[in-house]
Amino acid sequence: NAGVTQTPKFQVLKTGQSMTLQCAQDMNHEYMSWYRQDPGMGLRLIHYSVGAGITDQGEVPNGYNVSRSTTEDFPLRLLSAAPSQTSVYFCASSYSDRGNYEQYFGPGTRLTVT
Amino acid sequence: AQSVTQLDSQVPVFEEAPVELRCNYSSSVSVYLFWYVQYPNQGLQLLLKYLSGSTLVKGINGFEAEFNKSQTSFHLRKPSVHISDTAEYFCAVSDLRNTDKLIFGTGTRLQVFP
Repeated sequence: NAGVTQTPKFQVLKTGQSMTLQCAQDMNHEYMSWYRQDPGMGLRLIHYSVGAGITDQGEVPNGYNVSRSTTEDFPLRLLSAAPSQTSVYFCASSYSDRGNYEQYFGPGTRLTVT
Repeated sequence: AQSVTQLDSQVPVFEEAPVELRCNYSSSVSVYLFWYVQYPNQGLQLLLKYLSGSTLVKGINGFEAEFNKSQTSFHLRKPSVHISDTAEYFCAVSDLRNTDKLIFGTGTRLQVFP
């Protein structure tokens, strides 16, 4: 199993550009989520999904869109990048309600918006 | 709503010394508690978790944590640290009704010196 994979590893955008951060998992997990990590603020939940076709907002959803058309993939879209979105982005997945409760994290995407 | 406070942003310690990383949480409902570790330039991985039962929980790499309900704490300890334990440690909580939504603390950077 590859686990949770994220692409790209690094990205530089100009203000106003759009892009999609890719996330995929091969563990057949129902639950997937996106976090952003900023210095001194820990990880904050952006969006999450409890299954294909179902998404919901987390703590900091503004400026981001998601969709979940398959169990494996959960892309995060920035429609018009802003410097405030400079951060490290982590995707995570887990079984939902299986008694395990462990989330598996990808290696992260480091995004800089100039 | 839940919140997590990690009282120390940085903890320097010499190799083979004991260490305690502090975590306090706030919640009006019962919670599950987690410690995750992030090694440099990597994603997060689960160190240990408290779901129920014994309040002393043992995890990977010789770490353990004790759940104290009256003090709403979940401090992480290791009796003798190694250089390889240098990493950032995150305490997290989840609501029993929505176990996939993790609320993270701001993290504690453990720096182990030779």
